[in-house]
Amino acid sequence: EVQLLEFGGGLVQPGGSLRLSCAASGFTFSSYVMSWVRQAPGKGLEWVSAISGSGDRTYYADSVKGRSAISRDNSKNTLYLQMNSLRAEDTAVYYCAKVRDVGEPDYFDYWGQGTLVTVSS
Amino acid sequence: DIQMTQSPSSLSASVGDRVTITCQASQDISNYLIWYQQKPGKAPKLLIYDASNLETGVPSRFRGSGSGTDFTFTISSLQPEDIATYYCQQYDNLPLTFGQGTKLEIK
Repeated sequence: EVQLLEFGGGLVQPGGSLRLSCAASGFTFSSYVMSWVRQAPGKGLEWVSAISGSGDRTYYADSVKGRSAISRDNSKNTLYLQMNSLRAEDTAVYYCAKVRDVGEPDYFDYWGQGTLVTVSS
Repeated sequence: DIQMTQSPSSLSASVGDRVTITCQASQDISNYLIWYQQKPGKAPKLLIYDASNLETGVPSRFRGSGSGTDFTFTISSLQPEDIATYYCQQYDNLPLTFGQGTKLEIK
């Protein structure tokens, strides 16, 4: 059974940093593109970032480009999102999601339960 | 970026009703269109991929159709457990983009 479990959310001040983690199990982690998708309170879904199975290709939404870094440790079956220079508009539930196919980022067949990031002073 | 426009933004229907949601892309996305269901406090769930293919285990009352720029999602007979917000998503180009969602309620 595929499981994705996010960690690392919390309250952070504007301008601060946070690293999210996602522990994966139940599939061959290194074979799949992985992604982060966020949802601001009461709002819709926004794709944030993705990374290839080997980690050699990364992709970012313009809203986080230059402030965030996605990475993965395939030996630990773990996905990360380092977020810097956080802003109030980064407040959201952050979901880790497995991409269906093994190539480019496309769509998501499994999602974690989400971790809430609140940016506030 | 490809803009995805869903309508309506909310919908109230009775159990047993046929429900239809539309999603329009700002440019041709072929059939690279997904439908998700999200229940309150839960993660989204994949329902339909490639515009019209039903994900394994999803009830057959859910149906997707369309190609190019215009897509439709239909629930043939609304059930109480279908109360949720539904999102479309395109994957023709990065950034991946979602519709704004359609909140479905029971009348």
